Amino acid sequence: DVKVTQSSRYLVKRTGEKVFLECVQDMDHENMFWYRQDPGLGLRLIYFSYDVKMKEKGDIPEGYSVSREKKERFSLILESASTNQTSMYLCASSSRAGTGDTDTQYFGPGTRLTVL
Amino acid sequence: GQNIDQPTEMTATEGAIVQINCTYQTSGFNGLFWYQQHAGEAPTFLSYNVLDGLEEKGRFSSFLSRSKGYSYLLLKELQMKDSASYLCDLSGGYNKLIFGAGTRLAVHP
Repeated sequence: DVKVTQSSRYLVKRTGEKVFLECVQDMDHENMFWYRQDPGLGLRLIYFSYDVKMKEKGDIPEGYSVSREKKERFSLILESASTNQTSMYLCASSSRAGTGDTDTQYFGPGTRLTVL
Repeated sequence: GQNIDQPTEMTATEGAIVQINCTYQTSGFNGLFWYQQHAGEAPTFLSYNVLDGLEEKGRFSSFLSRSKGYSYLLLKELQMKDSASYLCDLSGGYNKLIFGAGTRLAVHP
C-alpha cells in the first residue's frame, strides 16, 4: 500500500514565524503535491514537483515555498506565517504521468495549521 | 478556464440511490477523478474516467461525457458510512489535479 506521511497532524504557530511542513512517501513516486483545503473552496494546489529539485507553482503559491532535495520528501515552507494561512494542508504523491490509475494521487493525513 | 461545479450539499436515505453531478469548462484534460473524503480525513481515490461512458466499481459508478462537459458519481444501496464529501477533479499534465469544492453527502436512516 502507498503510504504518505506528514510530520504533524496539528500545528499552532504565531504570526511571523517560519513554518516547515514535511511530507514523505514510500512508493518511489516522481510527482508530489501540496494543497490547502478551506471550507467552501475545496482543495487548491500550492506547489507541485515532478522530480528531485524541480518545482512548479500551482494556483496559490504566494506566501509559500517548497523544497525537494530527495525523491521521497517534499517540504512546504511558510517564510513568515500569517493568519490567512490557517488551513488544512494536504500532501499527495503520484507516479509519473501515464494512463489509467497511474494518475491517481495518494494523500497524506493532512496537517491542520492554526496561525495566531 | 477549468471551473468545476458540483452541488454543495445533498441528503439521501439509507438504502437509496444518489447521483452527484459535476460539470466543468476546460480546454483539455487527461481524465476525471472522483475522490471520497470523510470529515477530518484525507481524500481517497474512488474512480477514474478517461473515455466517455460508465465505469462501475461495486456500489459506485462514475460516468463521463467529454462533449457535454459532464460527469456524475452514482452511489447505490447507500450506507451510513457513505456520509462524506465527494470531490470531482480533472487530471492534467504531470498528474496535476484541479479539484471542485466537493459535495457533502449526508445519509439518513
